[in-house]
Amino acid sequence: GQQVMQIPQYQHVQEGEDFTTYCNSSTTLSNIQWYKQRPGGHPVFLIQLVKSGEVKKQKRLTFQFGEAKKNSSLHITATQTTDVGTYFCADQNSGTYKYIFGTGTRLKVLA
Amino acid sequence: DGGITQSPKYLFRKEGQNVTLSCEQNLNHDAMYWYRQDPGQGLRLIYYSQIVNDFQKGDIAEGYSVSREKKESFPLTVTSAQKNPTAFYLCASRDRGRVDTQYFGPGTRLTVL
Repeated sequence: GQQVMQIPQYQHVQEGEDFTTYCNSSTTLSNIQWYKQRPGGHPVFLIQLVKSGEVKKQKRLTFQFGEAKKNSSLHITATQTTDVGTYFCADQNSGTYKYIFGTGTRLKVLA
Repeated sequence: DGGITQSPKYLFRKEGQNVTLSCEQNLNHDAMYWYRQDPGQGLRLIYYSQIVNDFQKGDIAEGYSVSREKKESFPLTVTSAQKNPTAFYLCASRDRGRVDTQYFGPGTRLTVL
């Protein structure tokens, strides 16, 4: 079955440094969604990418969808302590009601 | 207040007992989902329901059961057949509006002693 992997699994950065997490799928992604889960909390939807090569920005966050629709990335510029949490990508399979979540990247920001 | 509620937040049970986790939503969403999350792990799909009185197994359905008698409710039963039930359980519903997305409840942390 489809596997969605994220790298790195963990990342510790100093506050103010940039951070990037990569999402790679074994099959072509339908639509890619990104979620953030704060420690002890639940996942919260951030954004959805649909088109090949699409780039979207939300303040310090930049999301990209690969040209071949088999990978995606989330880049945070100048991290802040509020960015702490685990970031998940998810393939929203357009043919079913299922979502396939990536393995997640846990970000820790050191003040 | 619109949203998804799960109760209780923490649940303790003895080994061999069945336990039911509740999930209620007032968002008028048709589809609902149950996920399991283990420490440091991603989300794994247990069951999902596209509509009332219908549900499908996810990737790790063994040892779990669900029902969907009402649109608002999607309870999950963790049976004694589940070999390793201690985990964080998340319920979600799907909004098929302008942006197709999932809304998650706060989760229930189940510990089996």
